[in-house]
Amino acid sequence: EVQLVQSGAEVKKPGESLTISCKATGYSFSSQWIGWARQMPGKGLEWMGTIHPADSETTYSPSFQGQVTISVDKSISAAYLQWSSLKASDTAMYFCVRRFGAYYYFDYWGQGTLVTVSS
Amino acid sequence: DIQMTQSPSTLSASVGDRVTITCRSSQSISSWLAWYQQKPGKAPKLLMSKASTLESGVPSRFSGSGSGTEFTLTISSLQPDDFATYHCQQYNSYPWTFGQGTKVEIK
Repeated sequence: EVQLVQSGAEVKKPGESLTISCKATGYSFSSQWIGWARQMPGKGLEWMGTIHPADSETTYSPSFQGQVTISVDKSISAAYLQWSSLKASDTAMYFCVRRFGAYYYFDYWGQGTLVTVSS
Repeated sequence: DIQMTQSPSTLSASVGDRVTITCRSSQSISSWLAWYQQKPGKAPKLLMSKASTLESGVPSRFSGSGSGTEFTLTISSLQPDDFATYHCQQYNSYPWTFGQGTKVEIK
């Protein structure tokens, strides 16, 4: 059974750094693109970016390029989403997502990690 | 970017009702559209892809149609488990974009 299990909720101050994680099980991690989506409070979903674990090739949405970093550690089947300097506007739920094969829709989702940025 | 617009934003319905949600794209996306169901506090769940192909395990009361710029998700007879928010997503053109969601609530 495919599972994407994310790290727990975080409360941070503006300017702080943060990395959240997503541990994948139940499939060959290196063979499928994995990525992240954002959902701000009461809003719709936004695709942030995806990475291929085999070679770390990464594609970002223009809205998130330069704002976050997506990475993987294929030795432990984990994906990461990193911020170097959080802003209050980064407050949101973040979902780990698995891309379905060659198509850019998402067949498995993590349970979500709530990130709250407040002074 | 391709803009995805869902209507209505909120829909009030009763168990047993036939429900239709519309998703429009700002330019043609052929049939490259996915639908997701999201319950409060939970992750979205993929319902269908390529506009009308149901995922395994999704009840047959769900159906999808459309191509080009206009798409519909229909629930033929609304069940208690179907009260949720539904999102459409285009995967024709980068960057991949979602609609704002349609909340189906109990009337």
